[in-house]
Amino acid sequence: GIQVEQSPPDLILQEGANSTLRCNFSDSVNNLQWFHQNPWGQLINLFYIPSGTKQNGRLSATTVATERYSLLYISSSQTTDSGVYFCAVERNRDDKIIFGKGTRLHILP
Amino acid sequence: DVKVTQSSRYLVKRTGEKVFLECVQDMDHENMFWYRQDPGLGLRLIYFSYDVKMKEKGDIPEGYSVSREKKERFSLILESASTNQTSMYLCASSPPLAGISDTQYFGPGTRLTVL
Repeated sequence: GIQVEQSPPDLILQEGANSTLRCNFSDSVNNLQWFHQNPWGQLINLFYIPSGTKQNGRLSATTVATERYSLLYISSSQTTDSGVYFCAVERNRDDKIIFGKGTRLHILP
Repeated sequence: DVKVTQSSRYLVKRTGEKVFLECVQDMDHENMFWYRQDPGLGLRLIYFSYDVKMKEKGDIPEGYSVSREKKERFSLILESASTNQTSMYLCASSPPLAGISDTQYFGPGTRLTVL
């Protein structure tokens, strides 16, 4: 099946720093989403981005479908950005969604 | 291994019917979630629960309700099913504080078709 790899697995930054999280996938995909999992386990949808670039405040994401990767950018990090960020893909319509293992981000005050 | 089971893999109902989707987890997790997955929209949170008898609305709660009478069981209820509720429904559970990655465990999903 399709493989989803995220890097880095862990990232520790000072408040105010910028960060880039990467998601590589092994085959063409129909859909791609970025999620933020807060400390209570809830998955918060950040972007639905099968291709192109989107921005929402301090967060932006770019997916280059032809090269099978997506990037999540976080600018001017805040402590509330801490948590695990997941990339998830759907290869074909109606396929089960497949998650990467996540990047654990820890923002220090 | 954590096991999250859902009562049906496929379900076909008629408009107006009351529909129950059941989810059971065997790892004594406090947190449970219901999502729906739709083409072009991805995964969206319907409701979640942090403990027995507690529930919180997610992104798209309209047309749904939930029940958490026992810790291991989280039910999603469609009071009067409509065709726009045709979707794949995914249940998930997680321990109370997600200290490590991939701590949200998903069930196999229920594909609901409303005619």
